[in-house]
Order: sequence, then structure tokens, then C-alpha cells
Amino acid sequence: NAGVMQNPRHLVRRRGQEARLRCSPVKGHSHVYWYRQLPEEGLKFMVYLQKENIIDESGMPKERFSAEFPKEGPSILRIQQVVRGDSAAYFCASSAKGGNGYTFGSGTRLTVV
Amino acid sequence: GIQVEQSPPDLILQEGANSTLRCNFSDSVNNLQWFHQNPWGQLINLFYIPSGTKQNGRLSATTVATERYSLLYISSSQTTDSGVYFCAGNRNSNSGYALNFGKGTSLLVTP
Repeated sequence: NAGVMQNPRHLVRRRGQEARLRCSPVKGHSHVYWYRQLPEEGLKFMVYLQKENIIDESGMPKERFSAEFPKEGPSILRIQQVVRGDSAAYFCASSAKGGNGYTFGSGTRLTVV
Repeated sequence: GIQVEQSPPDLILQEGANSTLRCNFSDSVNNLQWFHQNPWGQLINLFYIPSGTKQNGRLSATTVATERYSLLYISSSQTTDSGVYFCAGNRNSNSGYALNFGKGTSLLVTP
């Protein structure tokens, strides 16, 4: 019973490049959440998705960031034209029902150089 | 959103000691979870505990929903307990299910 799988574990991008972060939820979970953790801080909510729908994106920056959870395949968090301030750990979580009993992945650590 | 305050922010224990971590919420929450982030950054779900008391080995948690706080007890601490402990909660609603995280308690257990 695999947990939430995130890849890559580490990602290095130059300023201006695009970053794509992938998340495969726990089998049977249809709710996916993305969080960002800056160094020595707690996690900040970014977006909540169900299959093919964005339910809550109140934590997403208005520009350069987008997320999707297609009918087939993993959820993708996409950051265009990355800047140094995007360097952080990005965690994905999934749940069977909305908001109850999250399981987190191991995170993707993005470094922008 | 809901504000989450955790205390203490930092804690150093000698192996074998017991400790209590606290989490206060600014509003009532329907969902409350405790997580452990190990030194490698991995987040482990410890408890889903919107109310009541649960125990898992040397760890136990109690949530008093009416008073908007939760406690995490660590007994007979071990060096592997080191890391950051987060509590998080939300109020389920049609508009969002975001968990609001505290800033964490950083625990170091020394041999």
C-alpha cells in the first residue's frame, strides 16, 4: 500500500526556468492538497484539488503558479519563470474525504539558482 | 483563517524524559492532526484527533475541542523522536479544506 509519492525529491532550476512537481496520491484517495514550506517555517496551504477540479486555490500566488489533477495520472504543480524566492519544500498530501486525515508525501525540495 | 499557536517553540530533552507539547487554536476546529517532521524533512502523520484521547505506543494526544487546544505527550523519549512537531486543523466547509499549521515545536533528544 504505497503512500503519497512525490517526484522528484530534489529539483534545481535556474531563474526563469519552469519547475514541474508531481504527486501521486494514496490509491483510492481522490483529494489532493499542495503545501509549501519555507526554511524553518510551518506549512502554508496552496491549493486543494479533486479529480479534474480545483476546489480551493486561495493559497496559490496569482501569477506563475498553476496546479492540475487530471483524470488519469498524477497531480502536477507547475511554477513558471522561477525566482529565488520560490526555493522551498513543496509537499503534497491526499485524503479519502475532503480535509479528513491527510497523508503527506516526502516532498520536493526546489532550489532556484 | 484559523490561527494556530504551538508551545514551546524549542525543547531539549535527555533520553528517557517525558514532555508535553501544546497547540492552541483561535477558533473551533473540526479536524485536528499532529505531525512529526523528521530531520530528513519527511512528514509523518501521528494522530488525527478532532476530540478525545488517543494513544500510539509512547505517544498520546488529547484534544479538548470546547477549549480549542490539543496536547501531545511523549513519554520515555528517544533520540529518534527528534525533529519538529506540527499541529494543524481546519473547519470543514464548502469553501475550503486547507489545514492551518502552527510553526511547530522543535525537539532535540540527547543521549
